[in-house]
Amino acid sequence: GQQLNQSPQSMFIQEGEDVSMNCTSSSIFNTWLWYKQDPGEGPVLLIALYKAGELTSNGRLTAQFGITRKDSFLNISASIPSDVGIYFCAGFSNTGGFKTIFGAGTRLFVKA
Amino acid sequence: KAGVTQTPRYLIKTRGQQVTLSCSPISGHRSVSWYQQTPGQGLQFLFEYFSETQRNKGNFPGRFSGRQFSNSRSEMNVSTLELGDSALYLCASSPEGRGGQETQYFGPGTRLLVL
Repeated sequence: GQQLNQSPQSMFIQEGEDVSMNCTSSSIFNTWLWYKQDPGEGPVLLIALYKAGELTSNGRLTAQFGITRKDSFLNISASIPSDVGIYFCAGFSNTGGFKTIFGAGTRLFVKA
Repeated sequence: KAGVTQTPRYLIKTRGQQVTLSCSPISGHRSVSWYQQTPGQGLQFLFEYFSETQRNKGNFPGRFSGRQFSNSRSEMNVSTLELGDSALYLCASSPEGRGGQETQYFGPGTRLLVL
């Protein structure tokens, strides 16, 4: 079945550093989504990408929809302590039924 | 617009009992999906409802069921609870257009503890 490989699994960084995480798949997706989840809460949508090659920013966050439609990355610039949390990628495909597949998450730790 | 709401936020049950969780989607959204999230397994897809019909189903036993009402509100039910059902249950809704389940917005979740 469809799977998303999200890496890295966790990251320990210093405040002010830039962060990069990515998701890859052997399947093609029509939409890539990036979420952030704080402990005990539901994931919050950060960025949605609908077109291959699309590059979208949301404040210090930038995400891109890979041109092969099989991958996406999320960058966070100048990290701050409140960036701590779990970041999930998700890919939507309308092939074989409408499905959204989630990556396993990247756990980000930021040291002040 | 109000976001996705889920009730209750926290629940404690004992093995063998059943539980019903409720989700109200964002106004105008017709697709509602349910997920189970545990520390070791990540986000596991349970099922998706669209216009009161189950459109997709994950690999969960028949003890897990759901339904959607004409106002798009959804409920999920777990019968004969097991200890392993302890998890955060998340509901997500999606707007129409662009082929359906494309951009999901999550609720805060219901944390279920089975003793």
